[in-house]
Amino acid sequence: SAVISQKPSRDICQRGTSLTIQCQVDSQVTMMFWYRQQPGQSLTLIATANQGSEATYESGFVIDKFPISRPNLTFSTLTVSNMSPEDSSIYLCSHTRGGGSTEAFFGQGTRLTVV
Amino acid sequence: AQSVTQLDSQVPVFEEAPVELRCNYSSSVSVYLFWYVQYPNQGLQLLLKYLSGSTLVKGINGFEAEFNKSQTSFHLRKPSVHISDTAEYFCAVIKAAGNKLTFGGGTRVLVKP
Repeated sequence: SAVISQKPSRDICQRGTSLTIQCQVDSQVTMMFWYRQQPGQSLTLIATANQGSEATYESGFVIDKFPISRPNLTFSTLTVSNMSPEDSSIYLCSHTRGGGSTEAFFGQGTRLTVV
Repeated sequence: AQSVTQLDSQVPVFEEAPVELRCNYSSSVSVYLFWYVQYPNQGLQLLLKYLSGSTLVKGINGFEAEFNKSQTSFHLRKPSVHISDTAEYFCAVIKAAGNKLTFGGGTRVLVKP
């Protein structure tokens, strides 16, 4: 499996600021995804990061709040913009290898606290 | 659209006792099913998956799950748990022709000595 490195692992941010989370995979992967895990809850898909085109956002998530980049097949970023305490969550990067592979692999997550 | 229901939000269990975590799903199309584990302060790790074939699936760390199509269930079991099994467990589905996972609400397992 391709190893995912995600950083930062945690951060405490002031409300109104933005944080960019980086996700690096050690080999080329087809699909990359960003999830949010709010405290004590399950994972919710934010968007699919598409290489060379705009991300595809799920219902309830918008590009202005969660801009995503995917400049190549091994790297993606998620920015949490104009943060409020409600954005305090764990954000996880995930990938699948594609080619019919159904298994998803996850990074360690970024634990974000907004104060 | 798919949905996943994990019937127990928390399961306390004594060490060396068996545990079963329940998962039901609904979908109008064929799906693949997964169980993931999340240890404290870590990402998700795949325990096992059902794609096709035998309905009894064995995974890592002594876990197994049984797919029951008529009951749309995919319950996870372990005959004897260890303290190290304390974690959150997530059931997830993906459309057979899709690439997006839908997760259940999670079950927190607390293994007591």
